[in-house]
Amino acid sequence: DAGVIQSPRHEVTEMGQEVTLRCKPISGHNSLFWYRQTMMRGLELLIYFNNNVPIDDSGMPEDRFSAKMPNASFSTLKIQPSEPRDSAVYFCASSKGQGGQPQHFGDGTRLSIL
Amino acid sequence: DAKTTQPNSMESNEEEPVHLPCNHSTISGTDYIHWYRQLPSQGPEYVIHGLTSNVNNRMASLAIAEDRKSSTLILHRATLRDAAVYYCIRTNTGNQFYFGTGTSLTVIP
Repeated sequence: DAGVIQSPRHEVTEMGQEVTLRCKPISGHNSLFWYRQTMMRGLELLIYFNNNVPIDDSGMPEDRFSAKMPNASFSTLKIQPSEPRDSAVYFCASSKGQGGQPQHFGDGTRLSIL
Repeated sequence: DAKTTQPNSMESNEEEPVHLPCNHSTISGTDYIHWYRQLPSQGPEYVIHGLTSNVNNRMASLAIAEDRKSSTLILHRATLRDAAVYYCIRTNTGNQFYFGTGTSLTVIP
């Protein structure tokens, strides 16, 4: 079975540019999560969706960040405009149901903003 | 707020059992205990989870204290591939996972 698929794996861009990260969750999973990992702050939950609806976006750092889930098999995390402090590894994860079910993570997108 | 406490690092000899402790003294009755591990340059990987009873799977065992204020992840025979950062997480009926700093496990050949 295919796992969570993220693209691109690496992204290098200049500050001010728009960045779009993509995620395809595992088929049949109805919860999707976006995380950010940095050395300073560790793994942080940014936002999570249940049945394509954003449930908790309290971890989104500021208005420059936005996330969408137009259907059950696709989600995007967009940063506009990007800043050097957004440099991090961004992970997408999915799970089936709620109630503390295991989350399955993608391999992440390593983002570098110059 | 990670809500769990783990040692920053531990070492183990290859082929020996490893006991990774986690304190979650403020856990509520409906909180699950999850363990994940993260190898270098990879996403976190699910290891095991439980609620009240001890749990076993092909990767590890999870021993949960009777008062549920602590738990221990047991790797029965450490291999070099088990070297990773291990995260202990508590989560309730919501889906929010709060990762702390985890325990960095070094396996010595």
